Amino acid sequence: DARVTQTPRHKVTEMGQEVTMRCQPILGHNTVFWYRQTMMQGLELLAYFRNRAPLDDSGMPKDRFSAEMPDATLATLKIQPSEPRDSAVYFCASGLGGSYEQYFGPGTRLTVT
Amino acid sequence: RKEVEQDPGPFNVPEGATVAFNCTYSNSASQSFFWYRQDCRKEPKLLMSVYSSGNEDGRFTAQLNRASQYISLLIRDSKLSDSATYLCVVNMDKLIFGAGTRLAVHP
Repeated sequence: DARVTQTPRHKVTEMGQEVTMRCQPILGHNTVFWYRQTMMQGLELLAYFRNRAPLDDSGMPKDRFSAEMPDATLATLKIQPSEPRDSAVYFCASGLGGSYEQYFGPGTRLTVT
Repeated sequence: RKEVEQDPGPFNVPEGATVAFNCTYSNSASQSFFWYRQDCRKEPKLLMSVYSSGNEDGRFTAQLNRASQYISLLIRDSKLSDSATYLCVVNMDKLIFGAGTRLAVHP
C-alpha cells in the first residue's frame, strides 16, 4: 500500500531554532506539495514541485522558509529561524502530473515555543 | 471574499439522516472540483471528484452548478463513521481548499 511518509511526526522546538521536515512521496509520483494547516487559516498551499522543479512557492514566507527536492524520493521544508506563529501541522502530498488527485502524508505537528 | 467558502458547521445529525453541504467558489474559470474528507488529527483524503453532470458513489452524491459557482455534497443514510470534516476543493491552477464543514453523526 503506497503512502506518502513524513518525518518527524512531531517536533517541539524553541523560537529561533532551525526546523527541517522531510517527505518521501509515493514512488512514481512527479508532483509534490507542501501545505500548512492551522485552526485559523485552514489548509494553505506553501509550495509545490513538478519533476523536482519548483513551480509555485508564492504561499511561502520567503525570508524564513525554503523548500527543496534534492532527488525524486525526498522533499524538504526548512524554517530558519522558527517563530511561535509557525506552529501548525505541515502536510506533504504527492500526485501524478495534472491529475490533481493528491495523496497526503500523515503530517508533521510543529510547536514552536 | 475567500476563494472557496464553506459553512463551518458543525452539522449534528442522527444516524440515518440525509445531510447536504454546500460550497461556493469565486473563480469562474476553475476547471475541476473535489471533496476531501479529513478525520480528526489525520490527513485529508480524496472522497470524490465532482463532475458537471453530477456523480454518485454509494451514499454520496456530488453536484456542480457552474452558473451559480457552487458545489454540493449529499450524504444519505448517515453512519457514525461519516463523522469528519469535509473539505471543498477547487482547482484554480493549483488546489484551493475550503476551511471545511464539520459533520458529527450521533446514535
